[in-house]
Amino acid sequence: EAQVTQNPRYLITVTGKKLTVTCSQNMNHEYMSWYRQDPGLGLRQIYYSMNVEVTDKGDVPEGYKVSRKEKRNFPLILESPSPNQTSLYFCASSKGTGDKSPLHFGNGTRLTVT
Amino acid sequence: AQSVTQLGSHVSVSEGALVLLRCNYSSSVPPYLFWYVQYPNQGLQLLLKYTSAATLVKGINGFEAEFKKSETSFHLTKPSAHMSDAAEYFCAVSDPVNDMRFGAGTRLTVKP
Repeated sequence: EAQVTQNPRYLITVTGKKLTVTCSQNMNHEYMSWYRQDPGLGLRQIYYSMNVEVTDKGDVPEGYKVSRKEKRNFPLILESPSPNQTSLYFCASSKGTGDKSPLHFGNGTRLTVT
Repeated sequence: AQSVTQLGSHVSVSEGALVLLRCNYSSSVPPYLFWYVQYPNQGLQLLLKYTSAATLVKGINGFEAEFKKSETSFHLTKPSAHMSDAAEYFCAVSDPVNDMRFGAGTRLTVKP
């Protein structure tokens, strides 16, 4: 089954404790992206990747890192989480960017930073 | 830069009534437009998309949307709401140059 898999689904952590949210897709998609969803703000893009070893900042990249060492994986790293990063995070992938390809989304990771 | 505005963060309809969710876009080049639906505790799923073919687009679950260039709109409709339509709906825009941009979302409530 074609899917985007994120882990974990729920995560509670404390300020400053490094964490990684994993994302994997099995559709051989070149494009992958991370979003955060906050009430009233919709989805805002954090980082995206157009292919292996190619990543770029989205609209809200501060406090986040990503890597794309393999085509299927695109982990999101919070080196020193802060309470304002409490949010619902989604990973997504598609065949390409800036084209007709819709995004395929994971089921989300709800992060709470205390 | 492209952007999307969804009018109404919450819409409530009775079961069997017409559903109308509004979306206006801004894009300097011909856009690709999408509607996504998000059910509780799930990711977004594609409902339908407009990619410069027919202006009236039919999607899953009886939804459809009409691209109106003169009004820069892409409103989502369904003739008769069902309880299972209760969800959050997102309009999104992309184009040959830019990444996808999402609206703030509209939460649809369906009353029995």
